[in-house]
Amino acid sequence: ETGVTQSPTHLIKTRGQQVTLRCSSQSGHNTVSWYQQALGQGPQFIFQYYREEENGRGNFPPRFSGLQFPNYSSELNVNALELDDSALYLCASSLRTSGILYNEQFFGPGTRLTVL
Amino acid sequence: AQTVTQSQPEMSVQEAETVTLSCTYDTSESDYYLFWYKQPPSRQMILVIRQEAYKQQNATENRFSVNFQKAAKSFSLKISDSQLGDAAMYFCAYRRSNTGNQFYFGTGTSLTVIP
Repeated sequence: ETGVTQSPTHLIKTRGQQVTLRCSSQSGHNTVSWYQQALGQGPQFIFQYYREEENGRGNFPPRFSGLQFPNYSSELNVNALELDDSALYLCASSLRTSGILYNEQFFGPGTRLTVL
Repeated sequence: AQTVTQSQPEMSVQEAETVTLSCTYDTSESDYYLFWYKQPPSRQMILVIRQEAYKQQNATENRFSVNFQKAAKSFSLKISDSQLGDAAMYFCAYRRSNTGNQFYFGTGTSLTVIP
């Protein structure tokens, strides 16, 4: 059984650039959620992907977008980067069946994004 | 909107002693789940314990137990026989029912274990 992996580990970008972060879900999981964790804060929900579609979104602007692939891996894309986008980005995988999201949510180690 | 509040930014405990971390939440829902997650310096969030709101019995996982007070909307975590490996950030989290997508997290409590 493989755990949740994320790449890259660290990333430095400049304001206005675009970034893509990647997540591979836990074996057997079909749902991926993305969180933003600013320094000294708890994670904040960005959105969730299930069956390759966005399935719930937090209070984040449209320049935060995502994809889920047939193998359930996922990407988080952020356009027009701002200084406040500097944070740890966590993905978490879980299993959803028949409309029920199970509570076993496994997190990846995160990608540390720094925007200069 | 659901909110989760952790009023203790930092806590410390002597090795082998007991410590309690506090969490309160606000919700109008009756069916929900509460969680405690641990985030060590390695950054990977690990589930410590969870509680279903419909269960009156407090959850226990080895040295970790919770005191769930539904009416007071309080959900504290007790760590018994603290170990050096317990040092980490601890986050309280809420999720609405088993169809809710979103986990709401508190701001965390940094736990130091003193040898």
